[in-house]
Amino acid sequence: QIHLVQSGAEVKKPGASVKVSCEASGYTLTELPLHWVRQAPGKGLEWMGGFGPGADEPVYAQNLQGRITMTEDTSTNTALLELSGLTSEDTAIYFCATLNWNDDYWGQGTLVTVSS
Amino acid sequence: DIQMTQSPSSVSASVGDRVTITCRASQDISRWLAWYQQKPGKAPKLLISAALSLQNGVPSRFSASGSGTDFTLTISGLQPEDFATYYCHQAKSFPLTFGGGTIVEIK
Repeated sequence: QIHLVQSGAEVKKPGASVKVSCEASGYTLTELPLHWVRQAPGKGLEWMGGFGPGADEPVYAQNLQGRITMTEDTSTNTALLELSGLTSEDTAIYFCATLNWNDDYWGQGTLVTVSS
Repeated sequence: DIQMTQSPSSVSASVGDRVTITCRASQDISRWLAWYQQKPGKAPKLLISAALSLQNGVPSRFSASGSGTDFTLTISGLQPEDFATYYCHQAKSFPLTFGGGTIVEIK
């Protein structure tokens, strides 16, 4: 059975960076490309970036270019999202997800709060 | 980028009602469209893929149609557990995009 388990909530100051992890079990990351989606409080879903089918490099949302890095640690089967230069606008729940219509799985979400 | 416009943004309905949500893409996405349901504090759940294919385990009161730029999600005979927010999502091309969401509220 496939599960995506994310790291715990984070509180960061403006200008800091945050890393959120997503550990996959029941499959290997290379079998199902992962994406990151975030949701600001009371707002809709925003795709941040992800891997296309067979792609080695992720594609990032243009509004996050330069601040976002997605990596995968194959030794631990864990995906990592790093977001730098945080502002209050980055306060949100961050989800990892496969966004695959045959195998659609989501992590439980990680709340990142940016506050001085 | 492909913009996804959902309407209405919210709808108040009673148990047993029929609710229809529409989603319009800013360009032709063929049937590269999915519908998600999200309940408070939870991750979204995939209901419909390829514009009209019901996922396993999703009740048959959910149905969907459309292709190209115009799509609909219909809930026939609303049940208490259907009160949630619904999002359309295009997977035609990067950047992937979601509609703004439709909140289905209890009247």
